[in-house]
Amino acid sequence: AQSVTQPDIHITVSEGASLELRCNYSYGATPYLFWYVQSPGQGLQLLLKYFSGDTLVQGIKGFEAEFKRSQSSFNLRKPSVHWSDAAEYFCAVGPTGTASKLTFGTGTRLQVTL
Amino acid sequence: GAGVSQSPRYKVTKRGQDVALRCDPISGHVSLYWYRQALGQGPEFLTYFNYEAQQDKSGLPNDRFSAERPEGSISTLTIQRTEQRDSAMYRCASSLGGGAWEQYFGPGTRLTVT
Repeated sequence: AQSVTQPDIHITVSEGASLELRCNYSYGATPYLFWYVQSPGQGLQLLLKYFSGDTLVQGIKGFEAEFKRSQSSFNLRKPSVHWSDAAEYFCAVGPTGTASKLTFGTGTRLQVTL
Repeated sequence: GAGVSQSPRYKVTKRGQDVALRCDPISGHVSLYWYRQALGQGPEFLTYFNYEAQQDKSGLPNDRFSAERPEGSISTLTIQRTEQRDSAMYRCASSLGGGAWEQYFGPGTRLTVT
């Protein structure tokens, strides 16, 4: 069964500092991978996705993520964090060929200090 | 265009009552998904539809939970004889289908069972 691990429950960074949020997945084939962001009172917004091809994918709001098959990882990065990036971030895997569901990690809460 | 909408946004009900949660997907989206998100967790899959057909209901926790999408557009998730453990955020998502795997989420319905 597919699974996603986000090892960091809570991360605090200073505004302007770089950010990396970790995501590891377990999946039997080439996965489809996603990062979503959830701001307070808001729904989940898709930041970026990886299906195939270039392993470095660009998303919205200046985020990028790199797929590393050898490490089963899909870490999210941003060179310079803004205070408005404070939110909860979820990594997800799926869907498979027979099941369209997404499997989410438990999320990483990002706090940004000024 | 309009995103996924859900109603009500907040629902407080007494234990033993039935509740119906509504999801209105993005116009033209074939696939519709229901997820449940407990505090501090990522969303967990409940069920999904292609058009009006329920393709997968493996995530529904028990037979008190049911969902329908009779005309292939709006969907209703019904919980009968609610219990306190049903309290959670219920999220709906939709996608274009046909190999377009990005899921777009609504704001969710916060259900509290007292």
